Amino acid sequence: AQKITQTQPGMFVQEKEAVTLDCTYDTSDPSYGLFWYKQPSSGEMIFLIYQGSYDQQNATEGRYSLNFQKARKSANLVISASQLGDSAMYFCAMREAPGGGSEKLVFGKGTKLTVNP
Amino acid sequence: KAGVTQTPRYLIKTRGQQVTLSCSPISGHRSVSWYQQTPGQGLQFLFEYFSETQRNKGNFPGRFSGRQFSNSRSEMNVSTLELGDSALYLCASSLRGTVLSQYFGPGTRLLVL
Repeated sequence: AQKITQTQPGMFVQEKEAVTLDCTYDTSDPSYGLFWYKQPSSGEMIFLIYQGSYDQQNATEGRYSLNFQKARKSANLVISASQLGDSAMYFCAMREAPGGGSEKLVFGKGTKLTVNP
Repeated sequence: KAGVTQTPRYLIKTRGQQVTLSCSPISGHRSVSWYQQTPGQGLQFLFEYFSETQRNKGNFPGRFSGRQFSNSRSEMNVSTLELGDSALYLCASSLRGTVLSQYFGPGTRLLVL
């Protein structure tokens, strides 16, 4: 079974600085997908970025980039130029496809990011 | 295009009662998945429905059930509520069930007293 580990319960960063949120994963599938979501206090899960296991380049979406190190089984999220609005919970997740066309996400425990002014 | 909507947004129940939560997917989406989020267990997959059929189920007791209607709206039901059922319940919809094209709703916060 897939497993996602986020070892940082909380992180603090100064506004305008960059921050890296750690994520390691474990899977025996050669094909997999990794996701990062942001969850503000309102509760909604907001998709940030996706990395496929066969993607040649690290994924980037605006201020978000994914530092994908396949051999180390890590998929760290880098947020550049942090903003106060980035304060939220961040979840790393992996796609699990048990068959029959169905897919689900397996989530890590999350990291609470606080951006200080 | 309207996003995923969940009703109610907040709910307070007492132990032993039952509860029904509703999820309306994005128009045209045929897959609806449900997740439970608690401080202790984190985010856990409950079940997925596609075209009115349950395709996948997580490791939850039989007290948790769901269904999907012909218009793709989905409901989940929890019978004989326990204190540990207090959680944020999130639903997500997608066209065919691929998580890459999945959108989450705002969630329903359930408090069991």
